[in-house]
Amino acid sequence: QITLKESGPTLVKPTQTLTLACTFSGFSLSTSGVGVGWIRQPPGKALEWLALIYWDDDKRYSPSLKSRLTITKDTSKNQVVLTMTNMDPVDTATYYCAHRRGGFDSPLDYWGQGTLLTVSS
Amino acid sequence: SYVLTQPPSVSVAPGKTARITCGGNNIGSKSVHWYQQKPGQAPVLVIYYDRDRPSGIPERFSGSNSENTATLIISRVEDGDEADYYCQVWDNNNDHVIFGGGTKLTVL
Repeated sequence: QITLKESGPTLVKPTQTLTLACTFSGFSLSTSGVGVGWIRQPPGKALEWLALIYWDDDKRYSPSLKSRLTITKDTSKNQVVLTMTNMDPVDTATYYCAHRRGGFDSPLDYWGQGTLLTVSS
Repeated sequence: SYVLTQPPSVSVAPGKTARITCGGNNIGSKSVHWYQQKPGQAPVLVIYYDRDRPSGIPERFSGSNSENTATLIISRVEDGDEADYYCQVWDNNNDHVIFGGGTKLTVL
């Protein structure tokens, strides 16, 4: 059974750096074809993809946020970490991590419950 | 950058068929995935690779994809189908995931 769970602060101040962790079970990020992605959703708005990391450490980032994002994995801990620099109130959102397996066009088939982050001074 | 266009809302009476579209340039050449999101919950995959259903998703959910439009079809709509629905593709040219703007399905 695949599960994912996001963790991190619920509140950060503008200009600070955000660090979120996705802890998962039921799969290994060292298995060929497996990836974990981050997606966010501002209140009342649509889903926005942020980043993906694959079993071979290949990484992809949203072009609009690439300069602010870093995604890493710790296979031994079954964890994926996302850092986002220079936080702004517009980054207030629920942040989700999700599992995918297969080619680049494969679906995000398992999602975490999400973690709500507020950016405010 | 590739853009997916969904209608903001679709309304349907119980028992009828709902069709939610996702428009994109030559989207028929891409693999389209659909997610259902109920209020306060994480998205759930309901259709993948245009028309396949994950285990546990009712047969009432189906999909199609041709030319410039992909469609999520929900037959015999129930009150519990009321949710936001998002389409998603992989943008080969820019190497990233794209989501549509979402469609709110209202069951009348």
